[in-house]
Formats: sequence, structure tokens, C-alpha cells
Amino acid sequence: DQQVKQNSPSLSVQEGRISILNCDYTNSMFDYFLWYKKYPAEGPTFLISISSIKDKNEDGRFTVFLNKSAKHLSLHIVPSQPGDSAVYFCAAKEAGGTSYGKLTFGQGTILTVHP
Amino acid sequence: NAGVTQTPKFRILKIGQSMTLQCTQDMNHNYMYWYRQDPGMGLKLIYYSVGAGITDKGEVPNGYNVSRSTTEDFPLRLELAAPSQTSVYFCASSYSGSGGQPQHFGDGTRLSIL
Repeated sequence: DQQVKQNSPSLSVQEGRISILNCDYTNSMFDYFLWYKKYPAEGPTFLISISSIKDKNEDGRFTVFLNKSAKHLSLHIVPSQPGDSAVYFCAAKEAGGTSYGKLTFGQGTILTVHP
Repeated sequence: NAGVTQTPKFRILKIGQSMTLQCTQDMNHNYMYWYRQDPGMGLKLIYYSVGAGITDKGEVPNGYNVSRSTTEDFPLRLELAAPSQTSVYFCASSYSGSGGQPQHFGDGTRLSIL
């Protein structure tokens, strides 16, 4: 039972264009969503997060949109750069003190940005 | 600024052997986590700790043990290595478990059981 799903294993875009990475979830108890970026042979690096009470959060070239009714979020990267080529993970955190910050991860999407 | 440090980076074990994966953080974080990542999959939580002396199981704890005697260190122990434990292991830490506090990850230990 996968509570966080990234249905696109890979995405290829041209430099300068927009990259849109998607994520769906099933657990209504999730109250925070985070995006991580991972290069080969390195650990995941935090990119951006969004609270379930918001529908958009922006940080530079990165924007995350949350559609709570559809249980769907997306990460937009504009403009895309070759250095953005990496695996992107969507992760979710449950509300409440007993969740202890545990993250549930999606399978990841490999983004390739071509020069 | 070391952050989260994991050792070793690579290891090959024989079936039935045991080993300890080391994890240390210098950010004075109370919360620490161990995840494993199998090929083409997301990270799955093995164990976590909310402070020295306090640990609990995550989603996939079978075959592993942990201890937390200090704030800085959170070692993961494999007692009887099995091929199913071939994976990349990531340790992470965070200041708190609440809100949007992100977890900070180490660079992982790639473990092969043959």
C-alpha cells in the first residue's frame, strides 16, 4: 500500500523550459509535504516544503503546488538548468505528536535537463 | 560543516555475517532516522530515535537493531546479514519532528550481501 506515489519514473526537458514533477498521496493525515533532490552517490538534499493549509510555496526557481482535494502536489522548476538533473523525491509527514517527523517517500522521478 | 556523516561508504558482507553502520551528526539534533533505498524505490524507514536512549521501529525493522547512547550517534546493527538486506542505507537527522522541519541526510552506505 503505497501512500505516496510518483507515477513518472523519468522526465526529460530542454534547458530553459519548465520541469513539472508530480506526486499523489492517499493518506489524509499528511500535513506537510517535502521535495528532496538526490545526485548519484549522495544523500537526498531538501529543496522545498509546503504545509497542507497552503496551496503554493515558492523559493527562487522552485514552486510547489498542493491540491488537497485531489491529493496531488507538483514541483515546478523554472527555468530548468542542466545542474537540475537528478532524482527528485516527494515525501510526506503525518500530523500529530506521535508521528515524530517520520517521512513517507515516493519512488522518485529522474529528471534530465538537456543543454 | 560536517552535518550527517556515515561510515563506511561501501561494504560487502557474506550471508550470516554481522556489521554496524555508523552515523554521527554534529548539529545537536534530537531526531535521527535510518532509511534504506532499494533500486527504483523510495526510501523506507527502518528505525528512528527522538533522543538519547529512545528508539522505535519504523516500517521495515526486521533484521536490524539500533541504539542511541548519545545525541550525536545512531548506529544501525545487522546481526545476520541476508541477501534481502542488500541496499543503500541513509541516516538522517532533524531538529524536531514537527512542522516542515526537513531531515538532513548523510551520503549513504552501499551494502552488498553475497
